[in-house]
Amino acid sequence: RLQESGPGHVKPSETLSLTCTVSGGSISSTNYYWGWIRQPPGKGLQWIGIIYYGGSTSYNPSLKSRVTMSVDQSNNQYSLRLTSVTAADTAVYYCASRGSEGHFDYWGQGALVTVSS
Amino acid sequence: SYEITQPLSVSVALGQTARITCGGTNIGNRYVHWYQQRPGQAPLLVMYRDSKGPSGIPERFSGSNSGNTATLTISGAQAGDEADYYCQVWDSSTAVFGRGTKLTVL
Repeated sequence: RLQESGPGHVKPSETLSLTCTVSGGSISSTNYYWGWIRQPPGKGLQWIGIIYYGGSTSYNPSLKSRVTMSVDQSNNQYSLRLTSVTAADTAVYYCASRGSEGHFDYWGQGALVTVSS
Repeated sequence: SYEITQPLSVSVALGQTARITCGGTNIGNRYVHWYQQRPGQAPLLVMYRDSKGPSGIPERFSGSNSGNTATLTISGAQAGDEADYYCQVWDSSTAVFGRGTKLTVL
């Protein structure tokens, strides 16, 4: 239902870009927000942000200055951009749908992004 | 920012009941959601809105939330339940995850 795609390797100071393709449902659904969550190797889950199909967003305050999320309704996709990456941004990045109760009910399989020179 | 406390690890004997807690100030006033993550897999929602089980989740999983503690209870623990479990709440417009609890089934 959700599938992440994008480069698996990014150099320090560059921009990480990922796309999540939604299948089996419409990204324009009024019932859902669309989110990104990441997990550094061996560590816990960190919420990055969410976006509504109309474009409204909410970001993790600790990442807000570097994060941009966008929606492409025509392709049923949404995207994440994280600028000025460092090794600390190395993680598995998950896209997930947020249901009406605030829970993340469907998750992508995850995409490992490694930041190194 | 809102802080959540989870025990690092919980152990349970096969077939017994495991209880995993998620602590926070007046967490009972918030909806708590729970995720199971097996090694190498994406998280799986196992409980939402404190005590609602998604379709396909065994009824052995149950949840409660009151005061300063939310609890995920797994009755009749099976080997396949061995995983990391994360609780999650919303603090204003920010999602907050607990640090996770590793459940070991002995």
